[in-house]
Amino acid sequence: QKEVEQDPGPLSVPEGAIVSLNCTYSNSAFQYFMWYRQYSRKGPELLMYTYSSGNKEDGRFTAQVDKSSKYISLFIRDSQPSDSATYLCAMRDTGGFKTIFGAGTRLFVKA
Amino acid sequence: SAVISQKPSRDICQRGTSLTIQCQVDSQVTMMFWYRQQPGQSLTLIATANQGSEATYESGFVIDKFPISRPNLTFSTLTVSNMSPEDSSIYLCSVRKQEADTQYFGPGTRLTVL
Repeated sequence: QKEVEQDPGPLSVPEGAIVSLNCTYSNSAFQYFMWYRQYSRKGPELLMYTYSSGNKEDGRFTAQVDKSSKYISLFIRDSQPSDSATYLCAMRDTGGFKTIFGAGTRLFVKA
Repeated sequence: SAVISQKPSRDICQRGTSLTIQCQVDSQVTMMFWYRQQPGQSLTLIATANQGSEATYESGFVIDKFPISRPNLTFSTLTVSNMSPEDSSIYLCSVRKQEADTQYFGPGTRLTVL
């Protein structure tokens, strides 16, 4: 079993839809949770960074962490064609220097 | 945040040659990481490069094939030695300022080996 599981998709939605991207994990020691967006032929770009449980909102993006279920989510409201990219979840435990990445979910937002 | 640049951005190399990739950060960082990303795949950590110590390599990666230098807190190089077509990939530099900090990525170096 991988430490972090993420459905690679692809996920295709119409413009304006609410997108839900998810990851599950097995290591209960994870405390730092991140979402990255990666456009084709570019490096990953940090979108959201959350410590421990709870929600965090930034514009159209909301990150949720449910440590009891070992489940994290990224919601994108009013999705735009410019949101078409690969979204990678990532996590790390306190004191750990290695960040564990999910496989990435390819998202296509159709105009 | 951290602004990271990589050189070269891309290269096409012949089998058996070596390529050195440079990573420059706009501020001092404690940890620097080198990743490989095959087309359509996620990130695979090659090694962690901390200033003043030998790089720590992940399983499947060895120093002879991927020598790393970290001469100061803002710069590192990764060399891909004796290249084969299987080394064709995107190589990404990544940094973290402190242990509890988040991690930032450079734009990547796209390597094609013929």
